[in-house]
Amino acid sequence: AQSVTQLGSHVSVSEGALVLLRCNYSSSVPPYLFWYVQYPNQGLQLLLKYTTGATLVKGINGFEAEFKKSETSFHLTKPSAHMSDAAEYFCAVGGYTGGFKTIFGAGTRLFVKA
Amino acid sequence: DGGITQSPKYLFRKEGQNVTLSCEQNLNHDAMYWYRQDPGQGLRLIYYSQIVNDFQKGDIAEGYSVSREKKESFPLTVTSAQKNPTAFYLCASSITGTAYSNQPQHFGDGTRLSIL
Repeated sequence: AQSVTQLGSHVSVSEGALVLLRCNYSSSVPPYLFWYVQYPNQGLQLLLKYTTGATLVKGINGFEAEFKKSETSFHLTKPSAHMSDAAEYFCAVGGYTGGFKTIFGAGTRLFVKA
Repeated sequence: DGGITQSPKYLFRKEGQNVTLSCEQNLNHDAMYWYRQDPGQGLRLIYYSQIVNDFQKGDIAEGYSVSREKKESFPLTVTSAQKNPTAFYLCASSITGTAYSNQPQHFGDGTRLSIL
C-alpha cells in the first residue's frame, strides 16, 4: 500500500524567503513522486516529478525537490518566494502496486506575505 | 493547444436529480480519471479508465457512474444516490494506463457542483 503525508496544511512565508513544503511517503515498491500546484478554482498543474535517476529534481517556476529514500521524503523547496507562488501544493506518489493509482496528499496551502 | 476541457464550470443540482459533468481531452491520452476534491481532504479517486470501453471504480464510486465510449470523452454522472455531492470535481488524463502509475496527470479546470 502507498500513502502520502504532507506536514502542515498551511505554510506562511515572507516574499523573498525560502519555501519548504514537506512530504513524506510510504510505499512497498519503488515510488514515483510528483508535486502539483493548484491555483484557486483551477485544476492541478505538474511542478516536477521523480521517477528514476537523479534524486534532485528541478521543476518549473524555480521549484525543486529531493528524493531521500532513507528518510522517505520528497520535500519541495524554492530559494526565494514570490507573491505569485501563493497556491495549494499537492504531493503525490505512484508506482507499481498491481493496481492503478496515484495517491495524493491532503495538500499544503502556501501564503506569501509582502 | 492540447488540453482537458471540463464543463460546465458551475453546476447546481436539485434533490433527486441526476447531473452529468463533461470531460473532453485532445491530448490523445489513453487513461482518464475523475477525482472529487473537498477542503482539507486532497483528491479522492472516483473512477478511472485505462482504455476506451473500459473503466474501474476508484475509492469513492458509490453514487457515481461513468462511460468511456470515445477516447476523448469521459463523462461523469452524479446520481441521486450520492447524498453529499457538493464538491469540486476534477477530470484528468495521462498518456498511458499502466499499473506503474508513473505518468503525470494533466488536469482540467474543474466543475463545482452545489445542491439547491
